[in-house]
Amino acid sequence: LAKTTQPISMDSYEGQEVNITCSHNNIATNDYITWYQQFPSQGPRFIIQGYKTKVTNEVASLFIPADRKSSTLSLPRVSLSDTAVYYCLVGEPGRRALTFGSGTRLQVQP
Amino acid sequence: GAVVSQHPSWVICKSGTSVKIECRSLDFQATTMFWYRQFPKQSLMLMATSNEGSKATYEQGVEKDKFLINHASLTLSTLTVTSAHPEDSSFYICSAPGRGLNTEAFFGQGTRLTVV
Repeated sequence: LAKTTQPISMDSYEGQEVNITCSHNNIATNDYITWYQQFPSQGPRFIIQGYKTKVTNEVASLFIPADRKSSTLSLPRVSLSDTAVYYCLVGEPGRRALTFGSGTRLQVQP
Repeated sequence: GAVVSQHPSWVICKSGTSVKIECRSLDFQATTMFWYRQFPKQSLMLMATSNEGSKATYEQGVEKDKFLINHASLTLSTLTVTSAHPEDSSFYICSAPGRGLNTEAFFGQGTRLTVV
């Protein structure tokens, strides 16, 4: 399974855009890139998933360059409630268990 | 979207006792479910894969006799922590894979186990 590397932590302020980049140099052809959000004492929650180029939903955008060796989760205008740990995962979620990396702990300040 | 429900949300038990955690898929059938464990400030670690109608497969280092997994139906998987000790205190999370290839996985709310 492709290993992912992302910053351990990030700080931001309310209203700012936050970009979290994840490296996955060994991504396989069939792998998708999925981001999850986790609040303390809760299970992870799906944010967004993509294979290539750009994906946008009501919560975030996901940018994936042509070589797919990295991806960037973009959270527009964060609020205090976006304080959480964000995990970047690479694999085939419909087939097998997900391998979680260390995640990025985002702290949003007022 | 699909929902995975986990129960209880938290439990406190005495050392030496056993605790059962349930994981249900509410509006879909899951032939496979995954069990994770998460210690404070750490990431989720896969413990085992629960397979409906067959034995669970455990990750290296996870004691199958201590963490009993039963997947008796297409909507229910259970994890029983037997003879619990304080070091088993952790956050346990179940998940079910997406209903199609390359779709999101669904996670339960998690169970906070504290062994005293």
